[in-house]
Amino acid sequence: DAGITQSPRHKVTETGTPVTLRCHQTENHRYMYWYRQDPGHGLRLIHYSYGVKDTDKGEVSDGYSVSRSKTEDFLLTLESATSSQTSVYFCAISEGASGGYNEQFFGPGTRLTVL
Amino acid sequence: DQQVKQNSPSLSVQEGRISILNCDYTNSMFDYFLWYKKYPAEGPTFLISISSIKDKNEDGRFTVFLNKSAKHLSLHIVPSQPGDSAVYFCAASDGNSGYALNFGKGTSLLVTP
Repeated sequence: DAGITQSPRHKVTETGTPVTLRCHQTENHRYMYWYRQDPGHGLRLIHYSYGVKDTDKGEVSDGYSVSRSKTEDFLLTLESATSSQTSVYFCAISEGASGGYNEQFFGPGTRLTVL
Repeated sequence: DQQVKQNSPSLSVQEGRISILNCDYTNSMFDYFLWYKKYPAEGPTFLISISSIKDKNEDGRFTVFLNKSAKHLSLHIVPSQPGDSAVYFCAASDGNSGYALNFGKGTSLLVTP
C-alpha cells in the first residue's frame, strides 16, 4: 500500500471555526490532491498540487485553501467551516511520471462534521 | 454537470458468476480511465486502468472494456467472490488539473454466496 496518512481521521467542529486537515505521504510523489465525497456526488476535486508551493483549484474549491511547503505534506484548510462542508475528505497522491497518467493512491479519509 | 455516469446504484450477483459494472462519460477529451474499489470507512483502492488507445485491459479476474465511439466502459469481474462486495467507482482524466480524476457516483456490488 502507498504510504499515505491523513489526520485527524474524525473531527467534529462548529460553524465558523477554522479547520486544517493534513495529508502526509512517504512515497515522494509529485502530485497530491484533495477530494471530498458526498452522497450522490462521488468524489470531487477540491485542490491539487503539482509540486512544493505549486497548487491550483479544483471543481469545488470555494471555502477551502491549501498549502504544500514540503513534498510530503499537503494541508487543506477550511477558513470558516460551514455545515455544507460536512463530508468525507480524501487525499490522493500520484507519481506523475513521464506521460502524465498514473493511478492515484488514496488515503484512508477524514470524516468531518460541522455542527 | 456529471461527466462520468454510473447509472446503476447497485448490483447483486451470485458467487462464481460474472459481475458487469457499467460507466458512461460525456467528455470526449477523456483519454485515461480507471476503476476503483471502496470498502466502508476506507479510501478507494485502485483496481485497473485503460488508456484511450486500447479497447481492453485485463488483470487477473478483472477486465475493463472501452468503447470510445459509445463513450462507454465496463468492468467485468470473473468469477465474482464475496470479497468483491464493495462500491466501485469509475473515473476518467483528460490531463487537466494535474491529471485529476473525474468520478462517477459509484455502483454498490453485492456478491452473494
